[in-house]
Amino acid sequence: KQEVTQIPAALSVPEGENLVLNCSFTDSAIYNLQWFRQDPGKGLTSLLLIQSSQREQTSGRLNASLDKSSGRSTLYIAASQPGDSATYLCAVCVYSSASKIIFGSGTRLSIRP
Amino acid sequence: DGGITQSPKYLFRKEGQNVTLSCEQNLNHDAMYWYRQDPGQGLRLIYYSQIVNDFQKGDIAEGYSVSREKKESFPLTVTSAQKNPTAFYLCASRKGTGVSGTVATDTQYFGPGTRLTVL
Repeated sequence: KQEVTQIPAALSVPEGENLVLNCSFTDSAIYNLQWFRQDPGKGLTSLLLIQSSQREQTSGRLNASLDKSSGRSTLYIAASQPGDSATYLCAVCVYSSASKIIFGSGTRLSIRP
Repeated sequence: DGGITQSPKYLFRKEGQNVTLSCEQNLNHDAMYWYRQDPGQGLRLIYYSQIVNDFQKGDIAEGYSVSREKKESFPLTVTSAQKNPTAFYLCASRKGTGVSGTVATDTQYFGPGTRLTVL
């Protein structure tokens, strides 16, 4: 059974720092991995999607990497800003059912001004 | 504007009542999903539908029911059999269906959510 873990559960850093969020998954048989952002009381917004054949994806100050063999992904945020404060969730699309996505519990990020 | 709408934003239910959460999308997506989110936890899949008039149970379907009579609509009913329904409910859709050998590798789009509270 696929399990997705995100550590730490919460992170607080000063504005301007570069930071890395971690995601690990137990089964490397995945179609893709996605990073989402969730603001309090809101829905999810997709940030980056990495197909299983890819190693990384970039969007602005965000860079996500994927290492299927080790079951790990990282989300790198450069030059963090207070507006980056949110919960970041990692999710994998599994082979067992092409439409099923397994989510991690998220990392709650706080950027201090 | 294209997107997914959920209503109501807040919903209160008395013990023993059934309530229905609405989810509508105008993205022309084939697949739709319902998730439940509890504080400090990730999303758990309740039900999903890949095509009209067809749906499958997710990991926590007990106490819930759905229908998919139209492509753009996927309502979720929380029945009295659901013992702990207080949670944040999220609806999502995706263009790819994953059926007939087609792999659904594209992203899911989420609605704003409905917060359900049992009184």
